[in-house]
Amino acid sequence: AQTVTQSQPEMSVQEAETVTLSCTYDTSESDYYLFWYKQPPSRQMILVIRQEAYKQQNATENRFSVNFQKAAKSFSLKISDSQLGDAAMYFCAYRRGGGGADGLTFGKGTHLIIQP
Amino acid sequence: DGGITQSPKYLFRKEGQNVTLSCEQNLNHDAMYWYRQDPGQGLRLIYYSQIVNDFQKGDIAEGYSVSREKKESFPLTVTSAQKNPTAFYLCASSIGQGIGQPQHFGDGTRLSIL
Repeated sequence: AQTVTQSQPEMSVQEAETVTLSCTYDTSESDYYLFWYKQPPSRQMILVIRQEAYKQQNATENRFSVNFQKAAKSFSLKISDSQLGDAAMYFCAYRRGGGGADGLTFGKGTHLIIQP
Repeated sequence: DGGITQSPKYLFRKEGQNVTLSCEQNLNHDAMYWYRQDPGQGLRLIYYSQIVNDFQKGDIAEGYSVSREKKESFPLTVTSAQKNPTAFYLCASSIGQGIGQPQHFGDGTRLSIL
């Protein structure tokens, strides 16, 4: 079974600074997808970024980027120029590849605090 | 606007009672999912359905049941066999069989025991 580990229960960063959230995963599959979701106090789950395992290039979405290290099974999220609206729980998630539509396996989350 | 609607927002269950959580989507997605979130925890998969009239158990299916009679709807029943049902429940959908299509989530239902 796949597992996803987020080793930082809580992180704090000054507004406008850069922060990196860690995620490691364990799988025997070679084809899979990785995601970062944000959950603000409203509890809504919002997709931040996704990465296909077969792509070597790291995904980027505006101020959000990932460092995908397939051999190390590591998938960290970097948030640049942190804003107050970035404060939320961040979850790393894994999905097996192939043609199906399996569910996601989530880590336990990292609570990100933005200091004004 | 297209999206996923979960109802009710808050639900209370009495001992020995079955309750049903509603999930409707108008995104024309094939696949739908139910997750459970406990405090300080990530989401755990209860059930998922890739097409109408078909569904599979997730990691924590015991005490839950689902149906998928329509593409738009995927209700979750929390049965009396689920001894610790207090949690936040999230429904999601995705296009389905595609290359890593992300899941879109509803706003959730909070279930509590009376």
